[in-house]
Amino acid sequence: EADIYQTPRYLVIGTGKKITLECSQTMGHDKMYWYQQDPGMELHLIHYSYGVNSTEKGDLSSESTVSRIRTEHFPLTLESARPSHTSQYLCASSELGTGHGYTFGSGTRLTVV
Amino acid sequence: AQTVTQSQPEMSVQEAETVTLSCTYDTSESDYYLFWYKQPPSRQMILVIRQEAYKQQNATENRFSVNFQKAAKSFSLKISDSQLGDAAMYFCAYNSWGKLQFGSGTQVVVTP
Repeated sequence: EADIYQTPRYLVIGTGKKITLECSQTMGHDKMYWYQQDPGMELHLIHYSYGVNSTEKGDLSSESTVSRIRTEHFPLTLESARPSHTSQYLCASSELGTGHGYTFGSGTRLTVV
Repeated sequence: AQTVTQSQPEMSVQEAETVTLSCTYDTSESDYYLFWYKQPPSRQMILVIRQEAYKQQNATENRFSVNFQKAAKSFSLKISDSQLGDAAMYFCAYNSWGKLQFGSGTQVVVTP
C-alpha cells in the first residue's frame, strides 16, 4: 500500500548525540517536507524538497539538515542533539502542483535528555 | 505573507450533534487551495476535505462540509452527526505556492 513511513516512532537520546530521523514514501511524490510540531500543536515548516538534490530551509530556523539523494527518501539529521530539539517531527509528501494535499507520516517524537 | 487563523482552541460536541470550526486566512492571491486536516491523538494526520478557491460550490465529504466565503476569507468546517472517532485536533491549511500554511489547530472533544 502506498504510504509514507517515519522511523523511529519514539526516540530518547542524550545531549550531544548525532541522530537521523528517517522518512520514506512509496507514492513517487516529488515534493517532501519536514514539520516540527510544538507542544501547543502548532506546525512549523523546517525543511522541504521539490526533487532529488533539491533542499530548502523552511519558515522556522532549525539546526537540523536534510538530504534528498533518492526520490523516496528524505532523512533529517541533527549533528548534536540538545534539549531544545525535543519535539514531534512530521514528514509529509505531495505531488507537484498547488492543489494537492499532503500525505503525512506518523511522526517521530524526539526527547533529548 | 499568508496567515491562517483558528480562533477556537477547543470545541466540545455531543455525539450525533453538529459542530462548526472556524478558520480565517489572509492572502492577496486569487487562486489557491484550502484544506482541513485531522490529527487524532498519537496518530497520523489525514486530509479531511479540500476546497479550490475558484469554485464557489462548497466541498462536502460525507459528514464533513465547508462554508467557504472567499470575500470574507473564511473557511469553516462543519461536522454533522458527530461520532466519538471525530475527536482529534483539526487544522485548517492554505496552499498557494506549493507549501501549506497551517493554523494553530482546534481540539474537538466528543462527549457521549
